[in-house]
Amino acid sequence: EPEVTQTPSHQVTQMGQEVILRCVPISNHLYFYWYRQILGQKVEFLVSFYNNEISEKSEIFDDQFSVERPDGSNFTLKIRSTKLEDSAMYFCASRGTRIGTDTQYFGPGTRLTVL
Amino acid sequence: RKEVEQDPGPFNVPEGATVAFNCTYSNSASQSFFWYRQDCRKEPKLLMSVYSSGNEDGRFTAQLNRASQYISLLIRDSKLSDSATYLCVVKGSSNTGKLIFGQGTTLQVKP
Repeated sequence: EPEVTQTPSHQVTQMGQEVILRCVPISNHLYFYWYRQILGQKVEFLVSFYNNEISEKSEIFDDQFSVERPDGSNFTLKIRSTKLEDSAMYFCASRGTRIGTDTQYFGPGTRLTVL
Repeated sequence: RKEVEQDPGPFNVPEGATVAFNCTYSNSASQSFFWYRQDCRKEPKLLMSVYSSGNEDGRFTAQLNRASQYISLLIRDSKLSDSATYLCVVKGSSNTGKLIFGQGTTLQVKP
């Protein structure tokens, strides 16, 4: 069964450093998402991406965040200058395009620890 | 009012018990509803979609009451492997497909 993959599984960084989280969505999907989950809290939407542009972003997704689909397979989330409060699990998700297909499939996540 | 609200639990039940989780959502324009399961430090995995007519998948039954903006999940004959956090999820009213999650209800099934 096709699945979403994410690398790395765990990233440790110093405050102020840039990080890039990588995702490979399911190959025939066209809608891509990033969510985050701070430890002990709910999963929160960050951004959605379709047709090579951001279609919606949350208040969390400020100027420090950016997303890119540099080629036909990867989907990346960049945090330019990490803060302590960016420590969280970051989940990538993708969705197909068939009418009536709402299901999003999640990757295993990247645990980001900012020291 | 929270967009999606759940009782966080934990629910501690013996094997074989029937347990029910409830969820309310605030946006009456919401169209799609789901239950996801999340194991500790893992990604959310779709358990089932929730339809207006109600739907069943083995031991799991989901119900939707649009008038009350209320969603439920019933688990019959609980197994130890059902221990997890159950996430009530609503698709946002925008057409981007973003999902709005409740904080989850934790279930612990004990032998």
